[in-house]
Amino acid sequence: QKEVEQDPGPLSVPEGAIVSLNCTYSNSAFQYFMWYRQYSRKGPELLMYTYSSGNKEDGRFTAQVDKSSKYISLFIRDSQPSDSATYLCAMSGSYGSSNTGKLIFGQGTTLQVKP
Amino acid sequence: NAGVTQTPKFQVLKTGQSMTLQCAQDMNHNSMYWYRQDPGMGLRLIYYSASEGTTDKGEVPNGYNVSRLNKREFSLRLESAAPSQTSVYFCASAIYNSPLHFGNGTRLTVT
Repeated sequence: QKEVEQDPGPLSVPEGAIVSLNCTYSNSAFQYFMWYRQYSRKGPELLMYTYSSGNKEDGRFTAQVDKSSKYISLFIRDSQPSDSATYLCAMSGSYGSSNTGKLIFGQGTTLQVKP
Repeated sequence: NAGVTQTPKFQVLKTGQSMTLQCAQDMNHNSMYWYRQDPGMGLRLIYYSASEGTTDKGEVPNGYNVSRLNKREFSLRLESAAPSQTSVYFCASAIYNSPLHFGNGTRLTVT
């Protein structure tokens, strides 16, 4: 069983829809949770970063972490065709200098937003 | 502002050949990383370098070696390529307590 599970999709929605992307994990030591967006043939870019449980909002994007359920979500409001990409969740247990970047990634969910 | 630069962008190797993937960052980051991305597997850490002069194994280090040449450059070497090493390789860098910055990848096919 993978430490981090993410539904690979693909997920197709009409423009303007609310999108919900999710990951579950098994390691209770994870404290730092990230969402990366990856366009085709490009490297991942950081979208959202949260520490421990709670919500974080940035424009049309909201990240939620529920550590009791070992479940994280990314919500995209008013989705746009430019949001079409693969979304990867990632997490780690610590964020000290030697552990920075030692992330465990989900498999990624491919999202298509149709005009 | 180049960020993280990887060369080459594409490579085809025959089984048993060797090659070195190059990575350079211009952000004065102290930590550098090599990940591979395979369908259905997400990104997996191969090796990392927490600071200049140090390297450590990640989740999938077998068949690879790395060199942290200086603060800017971190190379990944395949001594004897195998078809199982067909993948997209990403280099990333970070400074203390900051998120990873990724390059745009090297697409490697081993036949």
